[in-house]
Amino acid sequence: GESVGLHLPTLSVQEGDNSIINCAYSNSASDYFIWYKQESGKGPQFIIDIRSNMDKRQGQRVTVLLNKTVKHLSLQIAATQPGDSAVYFCAERWSSGAGSYQLTFGKGTKLSVIP
Amino acid sequence: EPEVTQTPSHQVTQMGQEVILRCVPISNHLYFYWYRQILGQKVEFLVSFYNNEISEKSEIFDDQFSVERPDGSNFTLKIRSTKLEDSAMYFCASGKDRQETQYFGPGTRLLVL
Repeated sequence: GESVGLHLPTLSVQEGDNSIINCAYSNSASDYFIWYKQESGKGPQFIIDIRSNMDKRQGQRVTVLLNKTVKHLSLQIAATQPGDSAVYFCAERWSSGAGSYQLTFGKGTKLSVIP
Repeated sequence: EPEVTQTPSHQVTQMGQEVILRCVPISNHLYFYWYRQILGQKVEFLVSFYNNEISEKSEIFDDQFSVERPDGSNFTLKIRSTKLEDSAMYFCASGKDRQETQYFGPGTRLLVL
């Protein structure tokens, strides 16, 4: 699989502001993308996903945008709260045809919310 | 809400010793995975498991590693002879279907001395 990377390793935002976390991917065969949140000492927690046939998906306070032309993925968090402070990973899913899927993760962006 | 659980939360072992990391996937899930995360690095795929056999494995998953589903609820990762570089967080994940989202456990922090 090809690499998934993140543009910004750290991001500090004021409480109440919107956050945007970016991710670049390079595997054009990936059909599904996921954003995970990882708090200190915990496992990755699913936030939102998007399939490659979509360009936008909205959840509660979060929106994921997919631009396949430039292979770019972003996570937008509206009205960022202190509880949003964590490391955010994007992951791309791809299959080698063996009957299962692998996830390739980016290194992560640390989001710090300033009260 | 059902969740993936892992035991132990922390494991310290001597180099060369065998360790078994345990996971209880979400009960109606059929696909199981192990990942690891070395401190400060990316989460890396190790292996996927379905229908009592390995579906896919990465280059990391060499002969020192094995997985097993010994009963209807547990999913284990065994490292036969641990090396210093095996020190990492090990995450188990499960999914209902191969195309469904994978849900992660809290991880086991393994320290090899």
